[in-house]
Amino acid sequence: KAGVTQTPRYLIKTRGQQVTLSCSPISGHRSVSWYQQTPGQGLQFLFEYFSETQRNKGNFPGRFSGRQFSNSRSEMNVSTLELGDSALYLCASSLTTGRINYGYTFGSGTRLTVV
Amino acid sequence: AQTVTQSQPEMSVQEAETVTLSCTYDTSESDYYLFWYKQPPSRQMILVIRQEAYKQQNATENRFSVNFQKAAKSFSLKISDSQLGDAAMYFCAPGVANAGNMLTFGGGTRLMVKP
Repeated sequence: KAGVTQTPRYLIKTRGQQVTLSCSPISGHRSVSWYQQTPGQGLQFLFEYFSETQRNKGNFPGRFSGRQFSNSRSEMNVSTLELGDSALYLCASSLTTGRINYGYTFGSGTRLTVV
Repeated sequence: AQTVTQSQPEMSVQEAETVTLSCTYDTSESDYYLFWYKQPPSRQMILVIRQEAYKQQNATENRFSVNFQKAAKSFSLKISDSQLGDAAMYFCAPGVANAGNMLTFGGGTRLMVKP
């Protein structure tokens, strides 16, 4: 069974550019969440998608956006990159029912460096 | 909003010994789940153990067990017979039921295992 696949693994961008990160969840997982991990702020929740709808959103500016496709694959986009956006971006997929939280399976992350 | 405190930034254990990582959290929810995740240097987050808050019985997964004290909002992880491969960052994370899969992560505890 394939795990959660994130592409690319590493990315270097210039301030002001935009970037798109991709995540393919485990087959059968319809929930995809994104987290930002930095040494200073730790792991912070960005958003969660379920059946192509954003179900939860963290406290990030509107420059951070995402979407989910009908095959459950998800992308997140960051526009007008700032130096502070340099981080490890983790995607996680999950089985979900209405009430039960089964926990995540994480991808290996995308390391974004903004210069 | 939930807050999570892992009061031990770093811990060290001798191989084959037992170590306990502490975690306290604050939530106003009555129905929730609790998780411990491990992040080795390879950076992929791995689910270690999951606890359902409505269950009084402490969860166990092989060498990993928890001490869940709901009234005290404490959720510690015990690792028995520590192995070199247990060296990693460990994160505690509660998640509310009926609210998707969003988790709030603690700041983490870096566990070092000495041979």
